[in-house]
Amino acid sequence: KQEVTQIPAALSVPEGENLVLNCSFTDSAIYNLQWFRQDPGKGLTSLLLIQSSQREQTSGRLNASLDKSSGRSTLYIAASQPGDSATYLCAVSSLGENTDKLIFGTGTRLQVFP
Amino acid sequence: DAGITQSPRYKITETGRQVTLMCHQTWSHSYMFWYRQDLGHGLRLIYYSAAADITDKGEVPDGYVVSRSKTENFPLTLESATRSQTSVYFCASSTWASGNTIYFGEGSWLTVV
Repeated sequence: KQEVTQIPAALSVPEGENLVLNCSFTDSAIYNLQWFRQDPGKGLTSLLLIQSSQREQTSGRLNASLDKSSGRSTLYIAASQPGDSATYLCAVSSLGENTDKLIFGTGTRLQVFP
Repeated sequence: DAGITQSPRYKITETGRQVTLMCHQTWSHSYMFWYRQDLGHGLRLIYYSAAADITDKGEVPDGYVVSRSKTENFPLTLESATRSQTSVYFCASSTWASGNTIYFGEGSWLTVV
């Protein structure tokens, strides 16, 4: 059974710092991996989707990498801003019979203070 | 462009009552999903649908019923609400399962007393 873990559960950093959020998964047979952002009281917004054949994806100050063999993904946020404060979740889609479903991690709650 | 909307946003109900959470999407996405989000468990899939009249169980389907008579609607019914079903419920849609970007609604906060 695929399990997704995100460490740390919470992170507080000063504005301007570059930071890395981690996501690990137990079964490397994945179809893709997605990173999401969730603001308090809101739904999830997709940030980046990495297909299993890709190593990384970039969008603005965000860069997500994928290492399937080690079961790891990282989300790199450059020059963090207070507006980046939110919970970040990763989710994987496993191959085989579970391609229809995303398995989510429990998220990393990020606070960027001025 | 309304996207994906959920109603009600907030609901308090009593144990044993039937509750229906509505989900409507305007994109004609084939796939729709219902998740619940609980502290310590993250998001867990309740049910999903690949197309109208096609539904399948997710990780935690017990106590829930879904239907999808129209592509744009995917209601979730709690047949006899229990306190353990107090949660935040998210509806989501996608053009193709998990292969493409998935879009979430704003959530429905349900409290069962």
